[in-house]
Amino acid sequence: KQEVTQIPAALSVPEGENLVLNCSFTDSAIYNLQWFRQDPGKGLTSLLLIQSSQREQTSGRLNASLDKSSGRSTLYIAASQPGDSATYLCAVSYAGNMLTFGGGTRLMVKP
Amino acid sequence: NAGVTQTPKFQVLKTGQSMTLQCAQDMNHNSMYWYRQDPGMGLRLIYYSASEGTTDKGEVPNGYNVSRLNKREFSLRLESAAPSQTSVYFCASKNRDGKNIQYFGAGTRLSVL
Repeated sequence: KQEVTQIPAALSVPEGENLVLNCSFTDSAIYNLQWFRQDPGKGLTSLLLIQSSQREQTSGRLNASLDKSSGRSTLYIAASQPGDSATYLCAVSYAGNMLTFGGGTRLMVKP
Repeated sequence: NAGVTQTPKFQVLKTGQSMTLQCAQDMNHNSMYWYRQDPGMGLRLIYYSASEGTTDKGEVPNGYNVSRLNKREFSLRLESAAPSQTSVYFCASKNRDGKNIQYFGAGTRLSVL
């Protein structure tokens, strides 16, 4: 059974700091990996999707990397802003259909 | 653009009561999903429907039933609610375009007393 773990569970940083969120998975035979953002009381928004053949994806201040061999992904957020405060979830996919989610990292960026 | 719409947003049930959570998407997506989210556990897949007319069990299907009414709608039914089903329920949909991006509704917060 695939397990996805996110560390830390919560993180508080001052505005402007660069930060890294971590995601690890037990079975490296993934189809792809996604990072989602969840705001309080809201649904999930897909931020970045990395196919199994890719090493990283970038969108604005966000950069996600994937190392299948070690079963790890990181989400790098540059120059953090208070608007980045949310819960960030990673999810892995097998055979392109079902997603297995990590427990999330709750991020707070203080002004 | 409505995207994925879930109703109701909130619901309180007594143990043993039944209810149906509704989900509709207007993006002409083939696949639809039901997840539950519990504190610290991320989202877990309950049921999914890869296409109209098909449904399959996910990781935690016990106590639930689903109906893929048509391409737009995918409902989740609790026949006899239990306190362990207190959770936030999310519906999602995905197109068959190879991008494998799921679009989520805003969720239904369910409390079973």
